[in-house]
Amino acid sequence: DTEVTQTPKHLVMGMTNKKSLKCEQHMGHRAMYWYKQKAKKPPELMFVYSYEKLSINESVPSRFSPECPNSSLLNLHLHALQPEDSALYLCASSQVTANNSPLHFGNGTRLTVT
Amino acid sequence: GESVGLHLPTLSVQEGDNSIINCAYSNSASDYFIWYKQESGKGPQFIIDIRSNMDKRQGQRVTVLLNKTVKHLSLQIAATQPGDSAVYFCGGATNKLIFGTGTLLAVQP
Repeated sequence: DTEVTQTPKHLVMGMTNKKSLKCEQHMGHRAMYWYKQKAKKPPELMFVYSYEKLSINESVPSRFSPECPNSSLLNLHLHALQPEDSALYLCASSQVTANNSPLHFGNGTRLTVT
Repeated sequence: GESVGLHLPTLSVQEGDNSIINCAYSNSASDYFIWYKQESGKGPQFIIDIRSNMDKRQGQRVTVLLNKTVKHLSLQIAATQPGDSAVYFCGGATNKLIFGTGTLLAVQP
């Protein structure tokens, strides 16, 4: 079992829907991340939160909106997605920065956009 | 930009043999490197890491080697077992972790 919990495990949504992905960690980590992974590809960084503030946005389209309500929670709000956004969305956390300690990943949310 | 890539997309080994997975990186500013294992339907699982001021680090059955001169990273798995079958990703980090393309390790019984 992973120490980073993601819900839901699977999500199917239409292009006009609004949905949210949730991530939770209780390891006291102060950095949290969203990655997107397509089949047979490496995870691609989307967002980085450091001490609950957005520190990196990898030019992600505005139809993806991250939120960090507190140091344990990370959300990804989805609106007006496209079929090509279908992917595995991975949340991760680390003690401080990415070059200081390993990232711990959840098992992801498998998103299908119809 | 920063990129991390692997030499081989697929590696097939016999059970009990040693495995070597290679990775090349382009950003000389990367100061932290890491290997992950990803099994089907799961998120990446941390295996071992190494800082840029080291050239070798050993764990349980795994060794990571770093050659900064040629910007090369490798993961050695001793006595490979069927449970080692997975996709392996290397990653390099400055203020963010960037993954390489991945190698599928297939262990034959």
